[in-house]
Amino acid sequence: QKEVEQNSGPLSVPEGAIASLNCTYSDRGSQSFFWYRQYSGKSPELIMSIYSNGDKEDGRFTAQLNKASQYVSLLIRDSQPSDSATYLCAVTGGAGSYQLTFGKGTKLSVIP
Amino acid sequence: GAGVSQTPSNKVTEKGKYVELRCDPISGHTALYWYRQSLGQGPEFLIYFQGTGAADDSGLPNDRFFAVRPEGSVSTLKIQRTERGDSAVYLCASSGGLGSGNEQFFGPGTRLTVL
Repeated sequence: QKEVEQNSGPLSVPEGAIASLNCTYSDRGSQSFFWYRQYSGKSPELIMSIYSNGDKEDGRFTAQLNKASQYVSLLIRDSQPSDSATYLCAVTGGAGSYQLTFGKGTKLSVIP
Repeated sequence: GAGVSQTPSNKVTEKGKYVELRCDPISGHTALYWYRQSLGQGPEFLIYFQGTGAADDSGLPNDRFFAVRPEGSVSTLKIQRTERGDSAVYLCASSGGLGSGNEQFFGPGTRLTVL
């Protein structure tokens, strides 16, 4: 059974600091990796996608993927109180598999 | 519309009743997905459509759940003989389909409560 593991948190960081969110996955054939942000009572919002090993930067967000270690992370620089949310890691399976398997999410609190 | 829309936003029903949940994907998106999310959990895959056909229904929990997408756009998730354990937020997502990178964009969800 495919699994995606995340620390549930809560992860608390001061405003302006770097928040580091981590995720491991069990399916070595996984090909696509995503980070979603979910505010309380709202639906998941896609913030980053990554498909190949290495780093991908978009504004204050950097996603990092290491397929050999089956590990994907999200760094949020200059964290803001508005970043306080639950961050969901999601992965697809191998070729031809498009469904997302989600972790339970990490709750991030940015303290002003 | 600009994003995925879902109706109703909330549905309260009694155990044993039949419900239909509707999803209208982003215009032009060929792939449509249904997930459900329970409190404190990540979304759980139910079914995936590519065009009109169900390409993968392996996540449907049992035969009380059924979904259709007759014209390749709007989809309806149907739940028969609802049970209290069906209570959850039902999320719909769409993506551009093959070759699009499979980025999935979610609608606001339908909160289903079975009394």
